[in-house]
Amino acid sequence: EIVMTQSPATLSVSPGERATLSCRASQNINRNLAWYQQRPGQAPRVLMFGASIRAPGVPDRFSGSGSGTEFTLTINSLQSEDFAIYYCQQYINWPPLVTFGPGTKVEI
Amino acid sequence: QVQMQESGPGLVKPSGTLSLTCAVSGDSISSSVFWSWVRQSPGKGLEWIGGIYHSASANYNPSLQGRVTISVDKSNNQFSLKVTSVTVADTAIYYCARLGSVLEEVDSTKFYYYGMNAWGPGTTVTVSS
Repeated sequence: EIVMTQSPATLSVSPGERATLSCRASQNINRNLAWYQQRPGQAPRVLMFGASIRAPGVPDRFSGSGSGTEFTLTINSLQSEDFAIYYCQQYINWPPLVTFGPGTKVEI
Repeated sequence: QVQMQESGPGLVKPSGTLSLTCAVSGDSISSSVFWSWVRQSPGKGLEWIGGIYHSASANYNPSLQGRVTISVDKSNNQFSLKVTSVTVADTAIYYCARLGSVLEEVDSTKFYYYGMNAWGPGTTVTVSS
């Protein structure tokens, strides 16, 4: 079973600053990684496919990188609407087995 | 635009069966996507429950295997979740989601990457006597 970890658990950032979130897989997942944003009281929203491909409608201040076991989501110039919880998610095989990371809360 | 909507009882008794349905519009339930269920216990993170592909190929979270069944209803363009022998630990918001793909072409080689690009609003299920 692939285990996903995320760090830090909570990230305190000021509006306009940059946030860097990390996600690690317990084994090689190539680029089979997606990132999600979840605001309070809402369903998650996909931000990234394949670790670095922005989903339609996602602002370009969001960027993703990494492959293998180490991944990063960077949010430049944080806006008020970016304060949320971010999850990474991997999948392997087909039909896929899916695992979410525990999440990183980005707070003011 | 794909829209998804969960429905089902909001209260289930311990040892009973949790049954939810997800109605899909804007896409065919028979299309080449993986229709999934995800849950979120109060104040906790996201937990993938399982999903189904092409109406027949299902996969489940190993931690829930044996209690979970996901099936498709083509005539109503919806899919369903059943969780048996529920306990209070199954109390959660249950989301249905569409694991779709994007295509990236590198040197004439095509790569498909998947992510849950449509979600229902979620439905709260409480397990209590």
